[in-house]
Amino acid sequence: SYELTQPPSVSVSPGQTASITCSGDTLGDQYASWYQQKPGQSPVLVIYQDRKRPSGIPERFSGSNSGNTATLTISETQAMDEADYYCQAWDSRTVVFGGGTKLTVL
Amino acid sequence: EVQLLESGGGLVQPGGSLRLSCAASGFTFSSYAMSWVRQAPGKGLEWVSTFSISGDRTYYADSVKGRFTIFRDISKNTLYLQINSLGADDTALYYCAKVYTSSWYGPLDYWGRGTLVTVSS
Repeated sequence: SYELTQPPSVSVSPGQTASITCSGDTLGDQYASWYQQKPGQSPVLVIYQDRKRPSGIPERFSGSNSGNTATLTISETQAMDEADYYCQAWDSRTVVFGGGTKLTVL
Repeated sequence: EVQLLESGGGLVQPGGSLRLSCAASGFTFSSYAMSWVRQAPGKGLEWVSTFSISGDRTYYADSVKGRFTIFRDISKNTLYLQINSLGADDTALYYCAKVYTSSWYGPLDYWGRGTLVTVSS
């Protein structure tokens, strides 16, 4: 079965750039999406079709996807960005989520 | 404003059944694919099932295939998930979500708050 691999945790200092990766076989051949989930809240779509931002998502959030890796980049990271982040793609007749990355803003 | 409101969760014994509901409003329900995603306590997101726009296709995760059934009632703007033969591994918060694009596997742009299913004797 298709798998998406994310690092369990990423740390970043306020104001710096955070990058979260998502790896999967030929992931770059399809679209990837990213979700933010804060404790006790439902997930929020922050990036879709590799690099597009839904309405209301700050420009600090950007995405890329090439080869086997999709990347979510958060520029000028703020304390409010501390959350779990999940990538999502699909394979055959299955939707797949990555295991999630806990972003800590130190 | 798009709203998704799940209900139907609860405590159920192993081997039991439940029917989850998701009442949708604020958009044309029949024009979008809809999905169920679950999250076990302290764990990540797991896709469960998707109902296609046209209504002629349904998709399931291998872990629930044959036990779960997704369907919708357009007249009630409601998505359902019938879950049978429940086991401890099915304990989770079940989210209803709207698919943003025309592809059934597209990104999920709106999520409900979830309904909790607990399987325990």
